[in-house]
Amino acid sequence: AQSVAQPEDQVNVAEGNPLTVKCTYSVSGNPYLFWYVQYPNRGLQFLLKYITGDNLVKGSYGFEAEFNKSQTSFHLKKPSALVSDSALYFCAVRDLLTGGGNKLTFGTGTQLKVEL
Amino acid sequence: NAGVTQTPKFRVLKTGQSMTLLCAQDMNHEYMYWYRQDPGMGLRLIHYSVGEGTTAKGEVPDGYNVSRLKKQNFLLGLESAAPSQTSVYFCASSPDRLHYEQYFGPGTRLTVT
Repeated sequence: AQSVAQPEDQVNVAEGNPLTVKCTYSVSGNPYLFWYVQYPNRGLQFLLKYITGDNLVKGSYGFEAEFNKSQTSFHLKKPSALVSDSALYFCAVRDLLTGGGNKLTFGTGTQLKVEL
Repeated sequence: NAGVTQTPKFRVLKTGQSMTLLCAQDMNHEYMYWYRQDPGMGLRLIHYSVGEGTTAKGEVPDGYNVSRLKKQNFLLGLESAAPSQTSVYFCASSPDRLHYEQYFGPGTRLTVT
């Protein structure tokens, strides 16, 4: 089965500083990787995905992610953090369902806190 | 276009009671999913459906049943609620087997006492 790991439960960063939220993956075959964000009391929102192509993927709200095959990583980044970026971030990987189709396997989440 | 909606938003049940959570999507998506979210455990797949009239078990199906009688609706049932089912439940949908990103509803917070 495919899996992702988010090694940090929480990341703190000052507003205006760059941020990185880490994710590593373990897959057989080509990885299809995703980032989602969850604001308090809300559902998950899709940020970006890597399927194939450029290793730097751009997504919503100024976020981007860097796919690194040799390090099996897919870290989420933003050049300048905002207080409004404070949320719970999930990395996910596509996995196959025995009954056909696809599912997403999620990491345990990283709480990002951006402070003034 | 409301996307994915869930009802109710909150519910408190006593042990042994039953209830049904409703998920509706207006995007004509083929795939629908039910997840539960617990602290420190990410999201775990309960049941899913690859099309109208079909359902299948996910990672943690015990204690839950589902039905997809209409393409736009996916119901999650708890026949006899247990405190271990206290969680936040999310429904999601995706267009078809070639598109992997999922679209999530706002969630249902369920407490079983």
